[in-house]
Amino acid sequence: AQKVTQAQTEISVVEKEDVTLDCVYETRDTTYYLFWYKQPPSGELVFLIRRNSFDEQNEISGRYSWNFQKSTSSFNFTITASQVVDSAVYFCALGLRTGGGNKLTFGTGTQLKVEL
Amino acid sequence: GAVVSQHPSRVICKSGTSVKIECRSLDFQATTMFWYRQFPKQSLMLMATSNEGSKATYEQGVEKDKFLINHASLTLSTLTVTSAHPEDSSFYICSAPGTEYEKLFFGSGTQLSVL
Repeated sequence: AQKVTQAQTEISVVEKEDVTLDCVYETRDTTYYLFWYKQPPSGELVFLIRRNSFDEQNEISGRYSWNFQKSTSSFNFTITASQVVDSAVYFCALGLRTGGGNKLTFGTGTQLKVEL
Repeated sequence: GAVVSQHPSRVICKSGTSVKIECRSLDFQATTMFWYRQFPKQSLMLMATSNEGSKATYEQGVEKDKFLINHASLTLSTLTVTSAHPEDSSFYICSAPGTEYEKLFFGSGTQLSVL
């Protein structure tokens, strides 16, 4: 069975601080996909990144960066110089190849609050 | 980019009535769509996989007679909550893989409140 753990339920930071959201996953499959989604108060899920299990390169996109460590089954997400607009719930998710990578198991989410 | 439209965004209904939620892929065809349910401040749980032209595949513990799924065309999947009860109150959200294989697009969700 697959499992995604986001141990941080809620994080509060002051604007301009860096913040890292942790994600640990469990799966017996060797081919899988990892995702991060942002869910603002309006409810929709905003796609941030998808990474397959064979690509351990870290990625940076503007203020966002992701650290994929297969050895520790972690896929952490860092926001640099956080802004109030970053306040949202962030979900990490795992997709298996058998589901086309799109049948996702979500973590419980981390509520990020960025204050002035 | 690809867009998934979900309607309605919010619905309030009386206990015992049925509610239909629509999920449309606006600029791409989706032979498969996924329906998730989210309780307040909790994670999203996959309910079922909607397959165009065939029966939906339900996750363990999801009542297929309670949550009817119809995927009648390549751009439309519907979820009908039959004989709704207060415990069915939840946030329902659909998703579809877009033409860009790397992305799974989500609708904006439907907040169902059953009185």
